[in-house]
Amino acid sequence: KQEVTQIPAALSVPEGENLVLNCSFTDSAIYNLQWFRQDPGKGLTSLLLIQSSQREQTSGRLNASLDKSSGRSTLYIAASQPGDSATYLCAVNSNSGYALNFGKGTSLLVTP
Amino acid sequence: NAGVTQTPKFQVLKTGQSMTLQCAQDMNHNSMYWYRQDPGMGLRLIYYSASEGTTDKGEVPNGYNVSRLNKREFSLRLESAAPSQTSVYFCASSDRARRNEQYFGPGTRLTVT
Repeated sequence: KQEVTQIPAALSVPEGENLVLNCSFTDSAIYNLQWFRQDPGKGLTSLLLIQSSQREQTSGRLNASLDKSSGRSTLYIAASQPGDSATYLCAVNSNSGYALNFGKGTSLLVTP
Repeated sequence: NAGVTQTPKFQVLKTGQSMTLQCAQDMNHNSMYWYRQDPGMGLRLIYYSASEGTTDKGEVPNGYNVSRLNKREFSLRLESAAPSQTSVYFCASSDRARRNEQYFGPGTRLTVT
């Protein structure tokens, strides 16, 4: 079974800092990897999807990388803002299935 | 284009009662999913439907049944609710031919007393 781990579980940074969220997975036979954002009491918003053949994807201030061989992905957030405060979830779609295996998330607080 | 919609948004049930959670998507996706989210456990797959006419168990299917009513709609039924089913339920959809990117609904917050 694919196991997905996110480190750290919580992170607090001052506004303006660049930061990195980490995700690791145990089975490198993946179809794709998605990063989501979840605000308290809300649903999941897809931020970036990296296909297994790709090394990185960028959207605005967000950059996600994928290293299948080491079972790692990182989400880089540049020039963080208080509005970035949320929980960030990493999810892996394995080759063997359709559904996603989720990490438990990193809770991010950006302070003014 | 509403994406993925879920009803109801909130529900309180007594132990032993039954209910059906409804989900619909308007993106013409083939695959649909039901997840539950619990504190400290993350999101876990209950059931999924890879295509219209098929359903399969996920990681935590006990106590639930599903129906893929048509390509747009996928419902989740609790026949006899238990306090352990108190959770937030999310429906999602995707299309393997379009990168299998999953889109989520806003969730149903269910409390069983």
